[in-house]
Amino acid sequence: EVQLVESGGGLVKPGGSLRLSCVASGFSFTNAWMSWVRQAPGKGLEWVGRIKNKREGGRIDYAAPVKGRFIISRDDSQNTLYLQMNSLKTEDTAVYYCAHFYYGMDVWGQGTTVNVSS
Amino acid sequence: QGVVTQEPSLTVSPGGTVTLTCGSSTGPVTSTHYPYWFQQKPGQAPRTLIYDTSDRQSWAPARFSGSLLGGKATLTLSGAQPEDEADYYCLLSYPAVRLVVFGGGTKLTVL
Repeated sequence: EVQLVESGGGLVKPGGSLRLSCVASGFSFTNAWMSWVRQAPGKGLEWVGRIKNKREGGRIDYAAPVKGRFIISRDDSQNTLYLQMNSLKTEDTAVYYCAHFYYGMDVWGQGTTVNVSS
Repeated sequence: QGVVTQEPSLTVSPGGTVTLTCGSSTGPVTSTHYPYWFQQKPGQAPRTLIYDTSDRQSWAPARFSGSLLGGKATLTLSGAQPEDEADYYCLLSYPAVRLVVFGGGTKLTVL
């Protein structure tokens, strides 16, 4: 079965850190461009960032609000995508989805909730 | 970086046709923005409907189609069904500045 399973969400204080994981199965993770997308409560989708596959250079791009605070990485041996979130702000509160929607794919995780609050 | 604009809400009658649009503050939307369209229903993760302007995902019904018109990306729904009621988001890429941006979403009501 093709799927993505996120984990690692939770409650964290402003200024804190959290690492999200996303385990892939059922498709070639090594060849995938993987994305993180978030959705604040009652709001629309927001692109967080993307990591290309190593064969195409492995470049990582970030949205402006998270650049310098968030780090996307991947472990192809474990079919796992990561999102390291540092210096968290209340406005980072959202459901975080990992997704693979390039090259005609359509695979989304169920989402993991991050709540940044004092 | 561009701001991507969509209609906040639209209503279509069952069996009717509606066109959702996706514009960019930087200028006309072209195929080099690789427009995507996503459908999201309440409490669910998004699903990819259309990629690269007009390629439809295998699960997406043929009544959905994507194109470019008048400097915008468009998603046309022909023969709306009650189950098409959802939020629809477009996504544009800006390769020169290495950014990807979602539109604010269109809440589509079938009524």
